[in-house]
Amino acid sequence: GQQLNQSPQSMFIQEGEDVSMNCTSSSIFNTWLWYKQDPGEGPVLLIALYKAGELTSNGRLTAQFGITRKDSFLNISASIPSDVGIYFCAGEETSGSRLTFGEGTQLTVNP
Amino acid sequence: SAVISQKPSRDICQRGTSLTIQCQVDSQVTMMFWYRQQPGQSLTLIATANQGSEATYESGFVIDKFPISRPNLTFSTLTVSNMSPEDSSIYLCSVVSASTDTQYFGPGTRLTVL
Repeated sequence: GQQLNQSPQSMFIQEGEDVSMNCTSSSIFNTWLWYKQDPGEGPVLLIALYKAGELTSNGRLTAQFGITRKDSFLNISASIPSDVGIYFCAGEETSGSRLTFGEGTQLTVNP
Repeated sequence: SAVISQKPSRDICQRGTSLTIQCQVDSQVTMMFWYRQQPGQSLTLIATANQGSEATYESGFVIDKFPISRPNLTFSTLTVSNMSPEDSSIYLCSVVSASTDTQYFGPGTRLTVL
């Protein structure tokens, strides 16, 4: 089956720094999604990407859908303590179908 | 986005018993899914809950262990049967928004099996 490789596995940064994480796939996805999960909560959708090459922003977050459809990255600018959590990428083969998740990036922001 | 609730939010159960988890959505949705998230791990799809027919299970998951019901377009249940400590996980339902075709997740049910 398809697999998503997400890196880095964890990050420890200072407040105010920028963060970048990415996902790569062995095969093509038609949609890339980025979620954040806080402890004890379900994943919350941050950004959805629907077209190859698409670059989308949501506040301090920016994500891109790779041209090859096999990768995506998420950037967080000027990090703040509430950015702490686990970030997951997910790929979708067709609209509204099952998601394949990356292994997650644990982000820690030191004040 | 759809508002999704799950019951219970958490439970501690004894080995050999069964637990039924409920997922309620505030609007009609076509697609509903059940995921498992083992401690410190990512999410793994258990099955697609089909309205009016049997659920579609992913490799490694079977109906006898994880029976699923979906009586209408706003509600589904997942039962974890004959539980063992290895079933200790967070169980999450998700739905696909009709307006955006994007998946949203419920808050999850944290299950601990002793």
